[in-house]
Amino acid sequence: EPEVTQTPSHQVTQMGQEVILRCVPISNHLYFYWYRQILGQKVEFLVSFYNNEISEKSEIFDDQFSVERPDGSNFTLKIRSTKLEDSAMYFCASRTGVEQYFGPGTRLTVT
Amino acid sequence: GDSVTQMEGPVTLSEEAFLTINCTYTATGYPSLFWYVQYPGEGLQLLLKATKADDKGSNKGFEATYRKETTSFHLEKGSVQVSDSAVYFCALRTRNRDDKIIFGKGTRLHILP
Repeated sequence: EPEVTQTPSHQVTQMGQEVILRCVPISNHLYFYWYRQILGQKVEFLVSFYNNEISEKSEIFDDQFSVERPDGSNFTLKIRSTKLEDSAMYFCASRTGVEQYFGPGTRLTVT
Repeated sequence: GDSVTQMEGPVTLSEEAFLTINCTYTATGYPSLFWYVQYPGEGLQLLLKATKADDKGSNKGFEATYRKETTSFHLEKGSVQVSDSAVYFCALRTRNRDDKIIFGKGTRLHILP
């Protein structure tokens, strides 16, 4: 069964560094999403992406964040200058129909 | 704004016990409601869904009924197994143009053999 994959599973970085989280959505899907979950808190929507542009973004998704679909398979989330409060689990999701399919997540730890 | 509230965990039960995880929501209009499950080391999987009032979603012995009058979508299972140990997330998606999913905080379920 096709699935969404994410790499790396765990990323440790220092405050102020740039990180890129990678996702490979299911191949025929057209809509892509990033969510995050700070430890002990709820899963929060960050951004949705369709037709090579952002459809919607939350107030969390400020100028430090960007997304890109650099080729036909990858979907990336970049954080330009990480802060301690960016430490979280980041989930990628994709869909073509109604249901969103989620990846296993990348745990980002900012020290 | 739209939100989901679910019972705090962790919930610890013995195998074959009855499970209820409470979930209530606040939303404008008539959202679709979901339960997602996350097994250790894995991603979020859709467990069941309901798209309109009085619909019952069911899967793997789990059930939840969309109750508009009480704005609730409680998850139930008659006899839990050790393999049901996971984190369960209640969630909604509104019928607006945007289709983001709004999640509850999650409830960790631990089943003892």
